[in-house]
Amino acid sequence: EAGVAQSPRYKIIEKRQSVAFWCNPISGHATLYWYQQILGQGPKLLIQFQNNGVVDDSQLPKDRFSAERLKGVDSTLKIQPAKLEDSAVYLCASSLSSGRNTEAFFGQGTRLTVV
Amino acid sequence: AQSVTQLGSHVSVSEGALVLLRCNYSSSVPPYLFWYVQYPNQGLQLLLKYTTGATLVKGINGFEAEFKKSETSFHLTKPSAHMSDAAEYFCAVSAYSSASKIIFGSGTRLSIRP
Repeated sequence: EAGVAQSPRYKIIEKRQSVAFWCNPISGHATLYWYQQILGQGPKLLIQFQNNGVVDDSQLPKDRFSAERLKGVDSTLKIQPAKLEDSAVYLCASSLSSGRNTEAFFGQGTRLTVV
Repeated sequence: AQSVTQLGSHVSVSEGALVLLRCNYSSSVPPYLFWYVQYPNQGLQLLLKYTTGATLVKGINGFEAEFKKSETSFHLTKPSAHMSDAAEYFCAVSAYSSASKIIFGSGTRLSIRP
């Protein structure tokens, strides 16, 4: 079974530029998550999709971050414009459903460096 | 609201020694608890989880954790450390809402001395 795929693995941009990350979840997984992991911290949930609908985006900085999951499969996360403090690893995860005991499977992440 | 606190950002043990990584949680409802492991430049992998039932949970790679409600703890242990156990470990709690939201602790980096 293929895992969660993310691209690119690494990205370096200058502040005020825009960037986009892509995630392909495990086939059949209805729930998709985007997490931000700043160095030395645990992952923080940015947004959660159930199929193509948003169920939680309470910690997404909506003035600069956006995400979509068209057709309920792949997802993209965009930052525009980027700030220095956005430097982090962006993790995508997916799970079969949104139940509390459902295991989330994580991709390898995209490491973003904003200079 | 749910939260987790991991005591000790870095733990170092000798190969073959006991591994003990501490996690305390806060939850207004019965918690669902998880331990994840993250190897360098990798995503997170589930080690084990507690939902209901038996309070001693066994996971992969010889790890286990015990849910202690009276102490609000979910510490991770392994009887004998191996060099391959060196990684970052995250304790997490599943938030109680209509949709699951996993809240992670700040992590504990485990180093293994030869």
